[in-house]
Amino acid sequence: QSVLTQPPSASGTPGQRVTISCSGSSSNIGANTVNWYQQVPGTAPKLLIYSNNQRPSGVPDRLSGSKSGTSASLAISGLQSEDEADYYCAAGDDSLNGVVFGGGTKLTVL
Amino acid sequence: QVQLVQSGAEVKEPGASVKVSCKASGYGFIGYYMYWVRQAPGQGLEWMGWINPNSGATNYAQRFQGRVTMTRDTSISTAYMELTRLRSDDTAVYYCARCIVGVKAYYMDVWGKGTTVTVS
Repeated sequence: QSVLTQPPSASGTPGQRVTISCSGSSSNIGANTVNWYQQVPGTAPKLLIYSNNQRPSGVPDRLSGSKSGTSASLAISGLQSEDEADYYCAAGDDSLNGVVFGGGTKLTVL
Repeated sequence: QVQLVQSGAEVKEPGASVKVSCKASGYGFIGYYMYWVRQAPGQGLEWMGWINPNSGATNYAQRFQGRVTMTRDTSISTAYMELTRLRSDDTAVYYCARCIVGVKAYYMDVWGKGTTVTVS
């Protein structure tokens, strides 16, 4: 059972906009910034969004993140086949002095 | 370029120990925390703990307390994660990841490719 809650799956057609939600509590998302990771099966996770809404260099601006209270979301616009992957949210947790993850959302591009 | 190179796959019997290494290059090793994350087959990501390579200070997730030890050798820019008393449910891919730690911000920007540990 993951500390952060994500929907197990999401889907969309090419060109569409999809959002993935992430819900936490006052000790994690409510207290710290949220990060998003993309994982193509068989490979290591890749940082997509950090500090709620910042993109590392090389991440396209059709990906965006937001946070409000104890929830966050990742939005992907102009969906492409290459976006098909697993997406994880994460945040620091003050009660653990560590990091907690969501259970992951499998994104399918139809 | 910045990279983390992990040691190779391991197969261990139940009750044994495993030690995974993670060699950093392309950046100042002691300037960034190293986090360890594992992923069981078909499952999500699970944080195991961190080490501050500068001081050697560590913090472990409660479920691994007493079984995990994280160390580092600054002379060769390498971090280690040792897990003892292995069980079948420790079968997983183990990742090391460089972590940026700021005010209210903790994110892993560079990851190793992972080390598969099979307990059987």
